[in-house]
Amino acid sequence: GENVEQHPSTLSVQEGDSAVIKCTYSDSASNYFPWYKQELGKGPQLIIDIRSNVGEKKDQRIAVTLNKTAKHFSLHITETQPEDSAVYFCAASIRGGGADGLTFGKGTHLIIQP
Amino acid sequence: KAGVTQTPRYLIKTRGQQVTLSCSPISGHRSVSWYQQTPGQGLQFLFEYFSETQRNKGNFPGRFSGRQFSNSRSEMNVSTLELGDSALYLCASSQTGDSNQPQHFGDGTRLSIL
Repeated sequence: GENVEQHPSTLSVQEGDSAVIKCTYSDSASNYFPWYKQELGKGPQLIIDIRSNVGEKKDQRIAVTLNKTAKHFSLHITETQPEDSAVYFCAASIRGGGADGLTFGKGTHLIIQP
Repeated sequence: KAGVTQTPRYLIKTRGQQVTLSCSPISGHRSVSWYQQTPGQGLQFLFEYFSETQRNKGNFPGRFSGRQFSNSRSEMNVSTLELGDSALYLCASSQTGDSNQPQHFGDGTRLSIL
């Protein structure tokens, strides 16, 4: 089955700097790669997703890049703010949408230092 | 539009008991997935329901079961509870569970086994 590795497990950056979280996946059939943000006491919140026919996607301060050849995708957050502090999860699935089930990375605890 | 609603938010049980968790998806969403989140194993896919039928199942023992009703609400049942079943159980919904449809999570039910 699919295996998703996520690094780093903890990332501390100064407010205003950029943060990058990286994931690799094992199943070349995977085509859908969402990123979730989870705050304490809350469920994961979808922040951005990308499909295999797209190499990069941006939404304001957040961007995701995908390299299908290397089976690697990354989350980039620019101009970080205190409210960006949370745990971030990457995930992969073949079709997306739920029918296949998402395989998640172990998460990255992002800490924004004031 | 109301989000995914899970009840109860917290539950305490003892070993050997059984438990039923409830999930109401976003209005109009017909696919409901369940995930288990623990510090050690992270987020793991349990199963997915669409139109009252289980379409996919993760690698969990038969003690974990679920069902979906005609109004798309779903319940998850765990029988003969073990200490290792202590976890946050998350429900996610999407419109049909197919491609191009992101999954949205509820805030979960925190289950503690004594």
